[in-house]
Amino acid sequence: SQTIHQWPATLVQPVGSPLSLECTVEGTSNPNLYWYRQAAGRGLQLLFYSVGIGQISSEVPQNLSASRPQDRQFILSSKKLLLSDSGFYLCAWSGFGGYTFGSGTRLTVV
Amino acid sequence: EDQVTQSPEALRLQEGESSSLNCSYTVSGLRGLFWYRQDPGKGPEFLFTLYSAGEEKEKERLKATLTKKESFLHITAPKPEDSATYLCAVPINAGNMLTFGGGTRLMVKP
Repeated sequence: SQTIHQWPATLVQPVGSPLSLECTVEGTSNPNLYWYRQAAGRGLQLLFYSVGIGQISSEVPQNLSASRPQDRQFILSSKKLLLSDSGFYLCAWSGFGGYTFGSGTRLTVV
Repeated sequence: EDQVTQSPEALRLQEGESSSLNCSYTVSGLRGLFWYRQDPGKGPEFLFTLYSAGEEKEKERLKATLTKKESFLHITAPKPEDSATYLCAVPINAGNMLTFGGGTRLMVKP
């Protein structure tokens, strides 16, 4: 069966520090992968999606970047975090019948 | 412009008090409408996919219906454990990226 792993679960980082969030998928090949951000009490905003290794598309201009170094690995990064980068970050992969989400990372930038 | 709107933003019910959540969408060429449940601090959990007007799906106390302009999530005799945020989403663009509504936060009091 397919599973998706996302870590860390929570992260507190100072303004200006770098960021790296990792997501891996098991049990499927060549999945479409997505990074979403959810502000408190609001819906999900698509940040990046990838249809294959090295293929990244961005939906909104921002302080973040994404990379896909391996087929089932998706990484969200930042060189210098801003206060506005705080939020709940979710990785997802899409297969037949819809999306499966990871457990999320709560990022607080202080 | 493709858009998904959910109402109400929040809903308080007494245990056993049935109600409905609404998801309105404007998408050219609907390729499915997805319902998810999200508990605090966790990733969304898939509930249903509806593909055509008139389609209905049920799971325990939940029933999802679809028309050409909106979807309803009916909750019959809810229990406190049904408390969560319910999200609907539709795929847009060729990449099948899901666009989410803002969610309805459901609170069921015993």
